[in-house]
Amino acid sequence: DAGVIQSPRHEVTEMGQEVTLRCKPISGHNSLFWYRQTMMRGLELLIYFNNNVPIDDSGMPEDRFSAKMPNASFSTLKIQPSEPRDSAVYFCASRLTVADTQYFGPGTRLTVL
Amino acid sequence: DAKTTQPPSMDCAEGRAANLPCNHSTISGNEYVYWYRQIHSQGPQYIIHGLKNNETNEMASLIITEDRKSSTLILPHATLRDTAVYYCIAGGGGANNLFFGTGTRLTVIP
Repeated sequence: DAGVIQSPRHEVTEMGQEVTLRCKPISGHNSLFWYRQTMMRGLELLIYFNNNVPIDDSGMPEDRFSAKMPNASFSTLKIQPSEPRDSAVYFCASRLTVADTQYFGPGTRLTVL
Repeated sequence: DAKTTQPPSMDCAEGRAANLPCNHSTISGNEYVYWYRQIHSQGPQYIIHGLKNNETNEMASLIITEDRKSSTLILPHATLRDTAVYYCIAGGGGANNLFFGTGTRLTVIP
């Protein structure tokens, strides 16, 4: 079992650029979650999907952030345009069923200069 | 979801049992207690969870008080690799939003 796969592992970009983070959930898992972790705010849920459908995006900070899940094995989190305050580690997690626990990927460390 | 309270840091000697406490006095009847840990900058790792009975797996044991207002995570023989931040989370089954809080930073000392 490869676990949750995220790419890239590190991303450095300049303010104003578009950033796309990618996630491949564990095969067969029905739910996918995007989190952001910073020193100031800790780990925060941004959005989660059930069966590829966004269920709760109340944690998405603003319209610059968008997430998609075109199929059961792939999701993207896009930031356009990026700002220095978006610098954080972004984690993706997946879950088999509603009764199951979440399993996290290794994260993407984003630095916006 | 119920809020949890954990000590900010703890030390444990290598080879000894590490007992990490957590208070969740406002937990409701259908909320579980989950434990995760995060080693350095890695993704949070699931450890164990329970509702009201004590639980044990290959990583740890979870002891939940009878009134369910507190719990203790026990690592029976701590190793240096167990140095991490440990998060106690109280939430509904499945816990869509895992509110991680600040956790307990456990340092295992040689």
